[in-house]
Amino acid sequence: AQKITQTQPGMFVQEKEAVTLDCTYDTSDPSYGLFWYKQPSSGEMIFLIYQGSYDQQNATEGRYSLNFQKARKSANLVISASQLGDSAMYFCAMRVPLKAAGNKLTFGGGTRVLVKP
Amino acid sequence: DTEVTQTPKHLVMGMTNKKSLKCEQHMGHRAMYWYKQKAKKPPELMFVYSYEKLSINESVPSRFSPECPNSSLLNLHLHALQPEDSALYLCASSHLMAGGNSPLHFGNGTRLTVT
Repeated sequence: AQKITQTQPGMFVQEKEAVTLDCTYDTSDPSYGLFWYKQPSSGEMIFLIYQGSYDQQNATEGRYSLNFQKARKSANLVISASQLGDSAMYFCAMRVPLKAAGNKLTFGGGTRVLVKP
Repeated sequence: DTEVTQTPKHLVMGMTNKKSLKCEQHMGHRAMYWYKQKAKKPPELMFVYSYEKLSINESVPSRFSPECPNSSLLNLHLHALQPEDSALYLCASSHLMAGGNSPLHFGNGTRLTVT
């Protein structure tokens, strides 16, 4: 069975500093995908970044980068130069293979980030 | 702005009411999803539609009835709900790709309160 774990329920970060959000996963499937989403208080889930299990390089998207350590089964999100608008809940998610078409995402428990001015 | 539109944004209903949640996307996605999210919890999958056909039902009670009238629309019909069904209901869509690595695009959600 697949499992996603986020061990940091909440954290503070100073504006303009970098922050690392931890995510560990467990799966027996050699082909999987890892996603990070941001959820502001408005409720919308915003896709940030994706890493495939066969990708050789760590994914980057603007201020977001993913520190993918396959042997350790970790996929930590790094946010550089934090902004006040980065205050939100962040979810790590893993794609679970479906017999039917589509993506089933299993989400971790989330990490709430509060950026301080 | 989100490319997945959900209406209404807020809904309050009694346990004997019948209501519907609506979701629309125009990104050409052929997979659509309903998720339920309780306060301070991660989203949990309810239903998956692929090519307008129900492909996954995560053992959801029959008081929740999904419908996919066409490739752009997804509805969730609600009837005889319980107060514990109060939650944020999120709609999402994605491409159908080999390997299934297409990200899900979510709407803003409908905050449902059952009284």
